[in-house]
Amino acid sequence: QQPVQSPQAVILREGEDAVINCSSSKALYSVHWYRQKHGEAPVFLMILLKGGEQKGHEKISASFNEKKQQSSLYLTASQLSYSGTYFCGTRGTDSSYKLIFGSGTRLLVRP
Amino acid sequence: NAGVTQTPKFRILKIGQSMTLQCTQDMNHNYMYWYRQDPGMGLKLIYYSVGAGITDKGEVPNGYNVSRSTTEDFPLRLELAAPSQTSVYFCASSDGAGLAGNNEQFFGPGTRLTVL
Repeated sequence: QQPVQSPQAVILREGEDAVINCSSSKALYSVHWYRQKHGEAPVFLMILLKGGEQKGHEKISASFNEKKQQSSLYLTASQLSYSGTYFCGTRGTDSSYKLIFGSGTRLLVRP
Repeated sequence: NAGVTQTPKFRILKIGQSMTLQCTQDMNHNYMYWYRQDPGMGLKLIYYSVGAGITDKGEVPNGYNVSRSTTEDFPLRLELAAPSQTSVYFCASSDGAGLAGNNEQFFGPGTRLTVL
């Protein structure tokens, strides 16, 4: 089932912080985060695995609450380059390699 | 490395026509994926493959077929195109090793398909 992202859209001033949430109704093995700029392909940000292991860019932080099947992406001291649409993708514990993406959160950072 | 390449970049089809979207990766990745993205929406998984000769259905496989005869190539076939298949199609690949198979996906630039 498709994960639910919130908020749907965020507008920030440069330097402000934002949190993007992703929740699922099924047991999760991992949560993946990607950013997509208009007209471009999605780009990898971070992976969080059940058990605490994670891999991602140094300037991006995220959390994964396994019990609640929720993940949050933390964008601090936002820059203009952070603008884009953020997608979470979830992989269930059913041993499938399917990655199911949410509908996205649009982030606009203004000067 | 070129990464993931897709051809064509743009295509207009008439209803009922067929076509193949090509996808090639040069990173020796085992896993490959096809997604479609409708305007303003998220990515929907069409088909995926965990290695040559192995494919499986994703969320929205109807109207599409795939094959994986080599590690590098993962073509997507549209049979009897319909207006509902108007979308941007992304191919992606990932390495199966490490992080229990949960490695980052590298996306191609996409193919914009319009069915009229």
